[in-house]
Amino acid sequence: GENVEQHPSTLSVQEGDSAVIKCTYSDSASNYFPWYKQELGKGPQLIIDIRSNVGEKKDQRIAVTLNKTAKHFSLHITETQPEDSAVYFCAASIRTGTASKLTFGTGTRLQVTL
Amino acid sequence: DVKVTQSSRYLVKRTGEKVFLECVQDMDHENMFWYRQDPGLGLRLIYFSYDVKMKEKGDIPEGYSVSREKKERFSLILESASTNQTSMYLCATNDGASGRAEQFFGPGTRLTVL
Repeated sequence: GENVEQHPSTLSVQEGDSAVIKCTYSDSASNYFPWYKQELGKGPQLIIDIRSNVGEKKDQRIAVTLNKTAKHFSLHITETQPEDSAVYFCAASIRTGTASKLTFGTGTRLQVTL
Repeated sequence: DVKVTQSSRYLVKRTGEKVFLECVQDMDHENMFWYRQDPGLGLRLIYFSYDVKMKEKGDIPEGYSVSREKKERFSLILESASTNQTSMYLCATNDGASGRAEQFFGPGTRLTVL
C-alpha cells in the first residue's frame, strides 16, 4: 500500500520567516495530495490540496509544490504568523472502490515564535 | 458548512469493556471514515464506509468493528477495550458523489483505557 513520509517532525520559525514541510510518497498511482492543519483541540482541516496534473498551487501565504518524478511534495508558508502554529499533515490519495482513501504522513508541529 | 460531531470529547473505560464511539454528520455525505491519531504515527485509517451498511477495512482494523445503519451515523466499536487502544479517535466524512476528495473531520474523542 501507499506510504507517506513527512519531515521534519517539529519546526520552529520566527514570525515573518518562511516554513517548509516536505513529504514523499511511494505509490506512483497516487493523484491527490492534500495538506491539513490541526489546531489544538480540533480535528484536522484542509488548507490546500494539489492534483497530480499540476506542479504548483498557491493560496495567499501558502503554496504546495509537487514533483511526480521524485514522488515528493512540499508545503510552503511565507510570512509566518503566530496563528500558523499548529500540527500539519500531508496525505496522498489512491481512489479505491467508491471512496478516496487518504494515507497521512506523521505530522509536523510548527511553532511560530514572536 | 459541514458539521461532523462526535459523541464524546473525552472517554475513560476499563480493559475488557465494550466501547461505542459515535459520529454524526449533517451534510448527506456518502463516505465516512474512522481514524486513530497517535503521536509520531499520524492518522491511521481503521475503517471506512461508502454507503449505508457498507464497510471496508482500513490499515489497522484489528480489535475494531463498525456499524452504519443510517447515512448520517457511523459508529466505531471496540468489542473488548485494551490499553493499547488508548488514543485520539477522529471521524471524517467526504462527499463522494461530487468527486471531491476533501475530508471533513470531527473534533475527536480522546479515549483512555485503564
